[in-house]
Amino acid sequence: DGGITQSPKYLFRKEGQNVTLSCEQNLNHDAMYWYRQDPGQGLRLIYYSQIVNDFQKGDIAEGYSVSREKKESFPLTVTSAQKNPTAFYLCASSIRGAGWTWGTEHTDTQYFGPGTRLTVL
Amino acid sequence: GIQVEQSPPDLILQEGANSTLRCNFSDSVNNLQWFHQNPWGQLINLFYIPSGTKQNGRLSATTVATERYSLLYISSSQTTDSGVYFCAVILTGGGNKLTFGTGTQLKVEL
Repeated sequence: DGGITQSPKYLFRKEGQNVTLSCEQNLNHDAMYWYRQDPGQGLRLIYYSQIVNDFQKGDIAEGYSVSREKKESFPLTVTSAQKNPTAFYLCASSIRGAGWTWGTEHTDTQYFGPGTRLTVL
Repeated sequence: GIQVEQSPPDLILQEGANSTLRCNFSDSVNNLQWFHQNPWGQLINLFYIPSGTKQNGRLSATTVATERYSLLYISSSQTTDSGVYFCAVILTGGGNKLTFGTGTQLKVEL
């Protein structure tokens, strides 16, 4: 089946440790995104990637790092520098990649994975 | 940056009732999406609707881009409609960065 998978579903981390959240898609989408959701809040963009080997900071990138070595994979590392990492993390993808000026529903619709709940103990 | 406000923040309905959720945004957009987040956290796409009106079963949405708002209509609500409804926009010229509203928490009771 085509879709976006995230693992693990739940993750517990001790303070001072780095952890990496996995996001994989088999939709052949160029663009991928990481969002953070805090309780009772909307989603905020951490990082996004329009194409392989390229990524851009979103609104709350401090304390996070990403890589995009393969089209289908966009892992997120939550570093010890992230002061309040406990949250729900969602990965998304869309067809649209670099170079598009005006998108369409087909190219710009973002599809989301099931999320990872990270708790710092 | 762009502001996205949703109302009401919370809504309780009896099964079978109709409702209207509103999303106001502060600037010109070229992408607006409505999502339903189920109780397990999964975000489900409902509509891509930067302008105009669309319908999908019991749900419909209208965006009036010139007046910077969008409405989501839920008719004959069911308990499975419970969850949080988000609208998210991309500012004109804003690449592909979605900005989310804070959501409307809907509970449908029997």
